[in-house]
Amino acid sequence: GAVVSQHPSWVICKSGTSVKIECRSLDFQATTMFWYRQFPKQSLMLMATSNEGSKATYEQGVEKDKFLINHASLTLSTLTVTSAHPEDSSFYICSARDSWAGADTQYFGPGTRLTVL
Amino acid sequence: DQQVKQNSPSLSVQEGRISILNCDYTNSMFDYFLWYKKYPAEGPTFLISISSIKDKNEDGRFTVFLNKSAKHLSLHIVPSQPGDSAVYFCAALTRPGNQFYFGTGTSLTVIP
Repeated sequence: GAVVSQHPSWVICKSGTSVKIECRSLDFQATTMFWYRQFPKQSLMLMATSNEGSKATYEQGVEKDKFLINHASLTLSTLTVTSAHPEDSSFYICSARDSWAGADTQYFGPGTRLTVL
Repeated sequence: DQQVKQNSPSLSVQEGRISILNCDYTNSMFDYFLWYKKYPAEGPTFLISISSIKDKNEDGRFTVFLNKSAKHLSLHIVPSQPGDSAVYFCAALTRPGNQFYFGTGTSLTVIP
C-alpha cells in the first residue's frame, strides 16, 4: 500500500524556537496533503489543507502565521511551528491524497510528537 | 461543532467475542464513511469504508453497517483478537471533497 513518512517522529524544543516537520509520500504523488493535530484522548483535528504549488487553506481558529505550511513538490509538505510554546505540544499527523485515486483515498503518516519545554 | 461522534470512549471485549463500535453523524451530506485503527504514537491506518449507497460492507473479520435514516454506522469485529486492541476512529466526508471529519475515537481492549 501507499506509504507516507514523517520526520522527525519525536522532537523536543525550547519555548520560542521553531520546528519543522516533514511529510513525504514515498511511492505516489500527492497534490493535496493534510495536517492534523491530536490532543490527548481527543479526535484528529484538521489544521490545514496543503496544495502543491499554492497556499495552504487553514481551518478556522488555526493561526497561519504560526503554523507555516509549504507544499513545494508532489511528494513533500512541511509544517513549521514558529515560536513554539508549551501549548503547541501535541501529536501532529499528516495525510496525503493519491493524485490518481479518489478523494476518499488518504494515507496517513505515523505522526510527530512535539514537546515544547 | 462535532459532526461525527463516537459516544463510547472505551470498550472491553473478551477474545473471540464480537466487538461493536458505534458512530453517529449529523451532516446528511456525508456520503462516504471510513474506519481507521490507531495505535499510540502512530498514524491512523485504514480499515474499511462504506459508500452511502450501501448499507453493509464486509472485509474478513470487519463489517461496517450504515443506517442512513438514523445517521449511524457501526463497525463489527468478529472474532475479536488481542491484536485488535487500539483506538478506532470513524470518519466521514462529502465526495468529491477532501476534508475528513473524524469522530473522537473509541479505545478497544480485547482481553485474552
